[in-house]
Amino acid sequence: DSGVTQTPKHLITATGQRVTLRCSPRSGDLSVYWYQQSLDQGLQFLIQYYNGEERAKGNILERFSAQQFPDLHSELNLSSLELGDSALYFCASSPRQGARAFFGQGTRLTVV
Amino acid sequence: DAKTTQPPSMDCAEGRAANLPCNHSTISGNEYVYWYRQIHSQGPQYIIHGLKNNETNEMASLIITEDRKSSTLILPHATLRDTAVYYCIVRVGETSGSRLTFGEGTQLTVNP
Repeated sequence: DSGVTQTPKHLITATGQRVTLRCSPRSGDLSVYWYQQSLDQGLQFLIQYYNGEERAKGNILERFSAQQFPDLHSELNLSSLELGDSALYFCASSPRQGARAFFGQGTRLTVV
Repeated sequence: DAKTTQPPSMDCAEGRAANLPCNHSTISGNEYVYWYRQIHSQGPQYIIHGLKNNETNEMASLIITEDRKSSTLILPHATLRDTAVYYCIVRVGETSGSRLTFGEGTQLTVNP
């Protein structure tokens, strides 16, 4: 158990819909990262937050957004969903920038 | 972050040492070598990291060549549960943006 909790574990939704994925980092970790893993793309970095502020952006679509709240949990919002958004979404946390990251077990999103 | 090259797949007999190579010929002086693994769609798991000295922990050993252009992850007594995709990642250490850039990794299969 990494200490990083992601909910829900599975999510099935229709095209055009909007979903919210939630991540609770390890106690005290200030950095949260989001990754997407689809069959044909591998693990892709989406975005990083550090103590509530956005710190780095990767290959995140404009239809996706994220935020980190004062209690340090984070949410990834995916809107206008397309079939190609079906993937595993992982959250990771670390106590500070650059430190080793601990990953959650992921949310499997299926868009039908 | 420096690019890494890993063999796409390797096999190892249970109980034997698994030696996973990684080439990172363009590594910079302030970049660390990190190893993570991913067991069948679970969240990636940190294994070990190092700068230039060899490192050992309860999971594995990391051997970095003197010129730092390549490294080897050693699992001393591989078990069936070590079957996973192993990722070698090179990144700046604990002083800057800390995204992990995952490549294709090496699929290690431990056979009985």
